[in-house]
Order: sequence, then C-alpha cells, then structure tokens
Amino acid sequence: EIVLTQSPGTLSLSPGERATLSCRASQSVSSSYLAWYQQKPGQAPRLLIYGASSRATGIPDRFNGGGSGTDFTLTISRLEPEDFAVYYCQQYGSSPWTFGQGTKVEIK
Amino acid sequence: QVQLQESGPGLVKPSETLSLTCTVSGGSIRSYYWSWIRQPPGKGLEWVGYIFYRGSTKYNPSLKSRVTISIDTSQNQFSLKVSSVTAADTAVYYCARGRDVPDYWGQGTLVTVSS
Repeated sequence: EIVLTQSPGTLSLSPGERATLSCRASQSVSSSYLAWYQQKPGQAPRLLIYGASSRATGIPDRFNGGGSGTDFTLTISRLEPEDFAVYYCQQYGSSPWTFGQGTKVEIK
Repeated sequence: QVQLQESGPGLVKPSETLSLTCTVSGGSIRSYYWSWIRQPPGKGLEWVGYIFYRGSTKYNPSLKSRVTISIDTSQNQFSLKVSSVTAADTAVYYCARGRDVPDYWGQGTLVTVSS
C-alpha cells in the first residue's frame, strides 16, 4: 500500500498570501494518479485537482497542482477567506487508494 | 445536479452488521462507478470500496472480508454492509460518485459502534 505523507501539518497564513502544500508518496504514483481535496468542518471533501495538475469542474485557477513520481504539491496562489480548510491528497494509481493525513490551512 | 444521500442507523452494537444506503437523485446510477469512503472522528479519510452499476466491486483489503457493496439500479440506490463491527469502525461514512476521484459526495452520516 502506498503511504502518503503531507507536510506541513498546519499552515498559518493570512488572506492574500501564497500557500504551498506538499504530498510525498512512499513509492512512485503511477501515471501521476494523484488528487487533492478540500474539506471544511462538517462538510464532505470537495475534489480540487486530479491527475496531479488538472483542475476539477468549477475550481478557481488560483488552485494549482504539480509534481510527479513521489513528490506532489498543491499551490494556492492567493488565499481567499473561503480557502481556509483541511486539504488531503489521494493516490489512485495503486490499489488500495490511499489518502494523506491532511494539511490544515488556518488564518494567521 | 446529482445529489447523494446516505441513510441508515447511527448506532450499531459491537459484533453486529453496519448497513447504509445511498440514494442518488438528479441523475441515473447507470454508467458510473459508486464509492464508499469513511472518516473516523477527527481523523483522515479511508477508501472502503466501489461498485460499478453492473455490479462488479473492489474493496480495500484491510476491510475486504467484512465489506459488501451492492447496487439496485431500479431504485437508484447502492448500499454498504460492514460485518462484525468494532469501535474502530466508528466513522462518518460518505457515499460518492466515481471510482478513482469521486466528484459528487453525500453529506456523510456518522455511525457509532457502541453497546
């Protein structure tokens, strides 16, 4: 099973700042089958990015995904108030699909 | 707009079977894969398994011997059963559309395993 490790655990930033989140896999994720989700308290996760860098329908272009192999990043270019949430990465290249433990982006 | 709604008991006794149903509205259950994902309180996400509308399934090996996912296309519903539950199965259970990267999710339902 592929283990995903996200860092940092918590990111304290101000609105307007840039956020960079990391997701590292214990082994190479085939075909960059890596996704990112946003989750707010009491809500279901929301798909942001799939295929490492493709934005899901309706996702603003301030969200960008990148990386390949074992190292992936999610960048939020300028944080809006609604972006403060927990973010999870997920790999779907190797069964079982697995998720990272999450990065919380909080208001500084 | 596709909507999913989980339903089922919120409390299950240890060693019993957890049963949940997901009702899909605003679209057909046909031609898609449908998944279950769970999240223990305050923790991360765990993929449980998925089913194709024609009935083929795949499960997380960590749960495989205890999990069954089924589908009823006539009712636009799919279901999850987890047998021999323990406190470790306490979680918010989400149903979702899609096999790899679910795009539509239900709101989730908390299932607590306790006597």
